[in-house]
Amino acid sequence: DAGVIQSPRHEVTEMGQEVTLRCKPISGHDYLFWYRQTMMRGLELLIYFNNNVPIDDSGMPEDRFSAKMPNASFSTLKIQPSEPRDSAVYFCASSLGRGRSTEAFFGQGTRLTVV
Amino acid sequence: SQKIEQNSEALNIQEGKTATLTCNYTNYSPAYLQWYRQDPGRGPVFLLLIRENEKEKRKERLKVTFDTTLKQSLFHITASQPADSATYLCARSNDYKLSFGAGTTVTVRA
Repeated sequence: DAGVIQSPRHEVTEMGQEVTLRCKPISGHDYLFWYRQTMMRGLELLIYFNNNVPIDDSGMPEDRFSAKMPNASFSTLKIQPSEPRDSAVYFCASSLGRGRSTEAFFGQGTRLTVV
Repeated sequence: SQKIEQNSEALNIQEGKTATLTCNYTNYSPAYLQWYRQDPGRGPVFLLLIRENEKEKRKERLKVTFDTTLKQSLFHITASQPADSATYLCARSNDYKLSFGAGTTVTVRA
C-alpha cells in the first residue's frame, strides 16, 4: 500500500476563497483523522470518522470548516471562506481502530497558505 | 482539562550519547502513550506504544518508560546518531483519538 495520500501538497490561495483538501486513507483502515499543525498550537485534532461516519468534530474551529467522507477511500476537508489564520499544515491519518492501542498512519500533509 | 506536555522544546546532544525526552500528563491517567517521530516536511511516524500496566518498552535503540505515579513517560534514544535528528512527539490515546504534545526537537551533533 502507498500509505495515506493527501493532495495537494501545497496550496496558496487568497483570503475569501474556498479551499478543498483531499485524503485517501490506507485500504482497510476504518478510522480517518484530520489534524492541523501550526507552530503556535502544535498538532490539533479537527475531526475523525469511523466507517465513513463523523464521530467527533469538536476540534473544528469554526463553521467555515467542514469535512466529508463519502466512501471508505476518500475524504475532504473544506474551508469556505478561507482566512490568513487558517494557514497551517493539514494532515490526514488513518488507523485500523482496533482499540486504543492502534497506531495512526499519517499522510505527507498539505501546506496551506492563505494570503 | 486533560493535558499532555513535553517540557523541552529542543535537545542538542553529541553523537553516541543518550537522549532523554520527557512527556508529562495531568488530570487523568491515559491507558496508552504513543511516541512518534516527525521529520521536516513530513507527517509523524509511529515509533512505540506503552500501556499503563507496562513499565518499559524497547525497540532497537529506543526505550520508553511509563511511570503512573509521576504521571510521566520518558523516551530514550541510546547511542544516538545524526540520523536521529528529528522532532519527537508523545501522544495519549483516548478512545480512538490521539492528542499530541508540542514535541521535542532533537539535534545530534557528529
